[in-house]
Amino acid sequence: KAGVTQTPRYLIKTRGQQVTLSCSPISGHRSVSWYQQTPGQGLQFLFEYFSETQRNKGNFPGRFSGRQFSNSRSEMNVSTLELGDSALYLCASSLALTGLETQYFGPGTRLLVL
Amino acid sequence: GESVGLHLPTLSVQEGDNSIINCAYSNSASDYFIWYKQESGKGPQFIIDIRSNMDKRQGQRVTVLLNKTVKHLSLQIAATQPGDSAVYFCAVSQGGNTPLVFGKGTRLSVIA
Repeated sequence: KAGVTQTPRYLIKTRGQQVTLSCSPISGHRSVSWYQQTPGQGLQFLFEYFSETQRNKGNFPGRFSGRQFSNSRSEMNVSTLELGDSALYLCASSLALTGLETQYFGPGTRLLVL
Repeated sequence: GESVGLHLPTLSVQEGDNSIINCAYSNSASDYFIWYKQESGKGPQFIIDIRSNMDKRQGQRVTVLLNKTVKHLSLQIAATQPGDSAVYFCAVSQGGNTPLVFGKGTRLSVIA
């Protein structure tokens, strides 16, 4: 079974631009969660989507948004990029049947904001 | 809410020795605990998990111990190998589809 895939793997943007990242979950997984990973803050939860609905949201500004499609693929968007948005963005998928399933991560998208 | 801390940001061990990585959590309602391994340039990789109704769980060369009394979690790696060099994260959830909260990670270096 194919793992979680994320595109693009690397991205360079300038301040003020916007960016869209894509995540394809493991086949059959209905939940997709997004995380931001930085050396200083570690792994921080952005949001989770389940059946095309945002089910949980972390403590990030409204510039960070996401969506999920009917095939469970998800995108996240960051508008008006700031230097501090430079990070590794990870998505993870899970079956989300009982609420206690393992999340499986993709390789991440490394975003550099100049 | 939940906060997850760790005892050591870095750990160096000799090849062949056992490694112990520790994690502490704050919320006694936490119900599900996972250890992940992250190698350079990759996403976190699932190692082992444990539910709150268990104290110990074993996998291949890895054991997770859960002490709910002191809210402490540990990962033991037997006969540590160079391929075990990575950053190890514990993650904690209260279940019910609540988000995972991650610790900051421990970087394990294996000395050959």
